[in-house]
Amino acid sequence: GAVVSQHPSRVICKSGTSVKIECRSLDFQATTMFWYRQFPKKSLMLMATSNEGSKATYEQGVEKDKFLINHASLTLSTLTVTSAHPEDSSFYICSARTMERGYEQYFGPGTRLTVT
Amino acid sequence: GENVEQHPSTLSVQEGDSAVIKCTYSDSASNYFPWYKQELGKGPQLIIDIRSNVGEKKDQRIAVTLNKTAKHFSLHITETQPEDSAVYFCAARSPSRGATNKLIFGTGTLLAVQP
Repeated sequence: GAVVSQHPSRVICKSGTSVKIECRSLDFQATTMFWYRQFPKKSLMLMATSNEGSKATYEQGVEKDKFLINHASLTLSTLTVTSAHPEDSSFYICSARTMERGYEQYFGPGTRLTVT
Repeated sequence: GENVEQHPSTLSVQEGDSAVIKCTYSDSASNYFPWYKQELGKGPQLIIDIRSNVGEKKDQRIAVTLNKTAKHFSLHITETQPEDSAVYFCAARSPSRGATNKLIFGTGTLLAVQP
C-alpha cells in the first residue's frame, strides 16, 4: 500500500496557542487529501477535503477559521488548529488518495493533540 | 445522503475460528467498498477493498463479499490470530462529479481474538 506520514505523532499545547500538523504522501502524488477527527471508541469524522492548489471544502459544523487547511503541493497538506482549547483535544488523522491508484484512500498514523 | 451501518459492534472469537463483520449501505449508486483495520493509537490501514463490478475478493485469510441487490457487504477473516485483534471499519463511496466524493464509514467493530 501507499505510505502517508504525519508529524508530529503527539503534541501537547497550552490553551490559546496554535498547533500545526503536517501530512505527507511519501510515495505518490495525492490529488486529494482529507482530514479526520476521531473521538475515543468512535468512528472517523471527516472535517474537510482539500485538492492541491484549491481551498479546502469543510464539512458542516467544522469552523474553517479554527481549522486552517493548506494543501500546498501534491505531497503535503497541513492542518493548523488555531487558538486551541481543551475541547479540541482529539486524535487527528489525515488521508490521501490519487487517481493513479484507483482512488484508494490511505491514512496517516494520526496525531494525538492534547490542549491543557 | 449515504449511510453505512456496521454489525456487530464487538466480536470475540477463539484463535483459529472465523470472524465475519457485516455492513449495509443506503446509496445504491455506491461503487467502492474498502475495509480498514485500526490498531490502538494508530491510523486506519486499508486491508482489502471491492468494487461494484465484482461480488467477491480474497487476499490470503481475508475476503470480502458484496451483494449489490441487498446493498450489503461483509468482511470474512479465517484462521484468526491474536494479531488480528483491532477495530475494523467498513466504508462506502458513491461516484460524484468532481473529486470531492468521500468515504462514508461504518461505526466500527472491535474484534478480539482470544488465544
